[in-house]
Amino acid sequence: KAGVTQTPRYLIKTRGQQVTLSCSPISGHRSVSWYQQTPGQGLQFLFEYFSETQRNKGNFPGRFSGRQFSNSRSEMNVSTLELGDSALYLCASSLDGAVGQFFGPGTRLTVL
Amino acid sequence: GNSVTQMEGPVTLSEEAFLTINCTYTATGYPSLFWYVQYPGEGLQLLLKATKADDKGSNKGFEATYRKETTSFHLEKGSVQVSDSAVYFCALRLQGGSEKLVFGKGTKLTVNP
Repeated sequence: KAGVTQTPRYLIKTRGQQVTLSCSPISGHRSVSWYQQTPGQGLQFLFEYFSETQRNKGNFPGRFSGRQFSNSRSEMNVSTLELGDSALYLCASSLDGAVGQFFGPGTRLTVL
Repeated sequence: GNSVTQMEGPVTLSEEAFLTINCTYTATGYPSLFWYVQYPGEGLQLLLKATKADDKGSNKGFEATYRKETTSFHLEKGSVQVSDSAVYFCALRLQGGSEKLVFGKGTKLTVNP
């Protein structure tokens, strides 16, 4: 079974631009979560989607948004990029009712 | 609030040494507990988990026991290998419908031959 895939793996953007990251969960997994990883703040939860509905949201500004499609694929969008948005963005999926999330390799976003 | 505290790293050991990475948590209710490992340039891999008090999670020689009385979930391995060099994260998931994980800061382990 294929794992969680994320595209693109690397992105370089400039301040003020916007970016869209994509995540394809493991087949059959309907829950998708997003995390931001930085050296200073560590791993922080962004949001979780289940069956196309946002089920939980972290403490991030409204510039960060996401969505989930009917095939469980998810995207997250960051608008008006800031230097501090430079991070590794990780997507994780899980099987409803099971315990444990499975992570993708991440998208490394660099904002210049 | 809900939080996870891990021992500060980095930790440097020689091959075949005993490993302990301490993890304590603060949470309402009865969370599930996890250890994840991150190798350089990769995402996180689920190493082991425990869902209730006194459960022992184990995988690849690593073990951790859910201790409710001390709110701890320390990671141990009897004999580390160079290939165990990575960053280890302790995490909790609260009861309820959400899959949200709360992570510790991570502990970097380096094993020298």
